[in-house]
Amino acid sequence: GNSVTQMEGPVTLSEEAFLTINCTYTATGYPSLFWYVQYPGEGLQLLLKATKADDKGSNKGFEATYRKETTSFHLEKGSVQVSDSAVYFCALRTGGGNKLTFGTGTQLKVEL
Amino acid sequence: DADVTQTPRNRITKTGKRIMLECSQTKGHDRMYWYRQDPGLGLQLIYYSFDVKDINKGEISDGYSVSRQAQAKFSLSLESAIPNQTALYFCATAGRATTGNTGELFFGEGSRLTVL
Repeated sequence: GNSVTQMEGPVTLSEEAFLTINCTYTATGYPSLFWYVQYPGEGLQLLLKATKADDKGSNKGFEATYRKETTSFHLEKGSVQVSDSAVYFCALRTGGGNKLTFGTGTQLKVEL
Repeated sequence: DADVTQTPRNRITKTGKRIMLECSQTKGHDRMYWYRQDPGLGLQLIYYSFDVKDINKGEISDGYSVSRQAQAKFSLSLESAIPNQTALYFCATAGRATTGNTGELFFGEGSRLTVL
């Protein structure tokens, strides 16, 4: 079956540090890949996505590249801000229906 | 106002009680979902519905039931709550492929349920 593995958190960084959150997946077929973000007290919202191999999703300074050869979709940001503190979820979708398989989430804390 | 609204936002109940969580949306989406979030487990799909006459079980449907009263409303019920159903519950919606569905889910703010 499908599965998503994320690095465990919490990840604590200083403001302006470089961020990488690792995500690898196992899936049948050719999945679409997503990163969702959950700010404190809120629901999840889509951060970025990629639908085929070598696609790069980007939004708000975050980037992730769909690497089929390593089955990975690592999230990166060059310079994090305190406002980026949140829980980040990697997810995949195969087939139709918008049924997503989520990773366990990685909490990011950014300090001044 | 939020596009996807969940009520109640917080509920404390006792073992054996019946509880209903409600979700309504103004996005005009056909597809609605109920997820459960537990620390360290991510989100797990409980039930989903592609239209008013379509209800499907997700990964962890045991102990839950749903009702799709209208296109905009999707309720989750726990007929006899137990402590291991203590969790954060999310409703989500998505558009149909023919309407430009990008695969994105739109989430409500969550309903925190505690079963004592």
